[in-house]
Amino acid sequence: GAGVSQSPSNKVTEKGKDVELRCDPISGHTALYWYRQSLGQGLEFLIYFQGNSAPDKSGLPSDRFSAERTGGSVSTLTIQRTQQEDSAVYLCASSFMDRRREQYFGPGTRLTVT
Amino acid sequence: ILNVEQSPQSLHVQEGDSTNFTCSFPSSNFYALHWYRWETAKSPEALFVMTLNGDEKKKGRISATLNTKEGYSYLYIKGSQPEDSATYLCAFYGSGNTGKLIFGQGTTLQVKP
Repeated sequence: GAGVSQSPSNKVTEKGKDVELRCDPISGHTALYWYRQSLGQGLEFLIYFQGNSAPDKSGLPSDRFSAERTGGSVSTLTIQRTQQEDSAVYLCASSFMDRRREQYFGPGTRLTVT
Repeated sequence: ILNVEQSPQSLHVQEGDSTNFTCSFPSSNFYALHWYRWETAKSPEALFVMTLNGDEKKKGRISATLNTKEGYSYLYIKGSQPEDSATYLCAFYGSGNTGKLIFGQGTTLQVKP
């Protein structure tokens, strides 16, 4: 079946603009995660949605970052007033809500803030 | 604070060498330990998800072991090939994680032909 999809694949934006990144998880996966990888860094957790529960936003780096998940499926990560340090690859993953939690990652969105 | 440590941070080996990496994780409230392979310009892909103490998993030349009592896992690559060059991530999932995985910083492997 179809894997996790993300759009756009690349986004170049000017400092101060808002951006929206989209993630479409695997059908039936009720858990959805956002991560990012900045240049030379490891995988950084941002936010996690689990079914109908309140999201775990503990990884969001500032209040310029927000995310929502509509209808328990598609998720949008919004970054307001982008800064150069927001430049990174943003990865979305989804999983079943079981004890394994095997993550299926999307191809990522490369965000460049100029 | 839950912490997952991987060592070494990076590794350079010659084609044909065998190698191994370590992942250490909390030994309590364990549910699963994951290994992911992350190639440059691609997304991480799951290699193994291990849930039981003593688990041993194998996929081709790559294998992994798990010790939940002492909180460590080893990933072994036998006869490394240039296409094995990647970052290998481990991730811990436990009952105290509120649903999210805790990833290590990864071990970056470079295999020289």
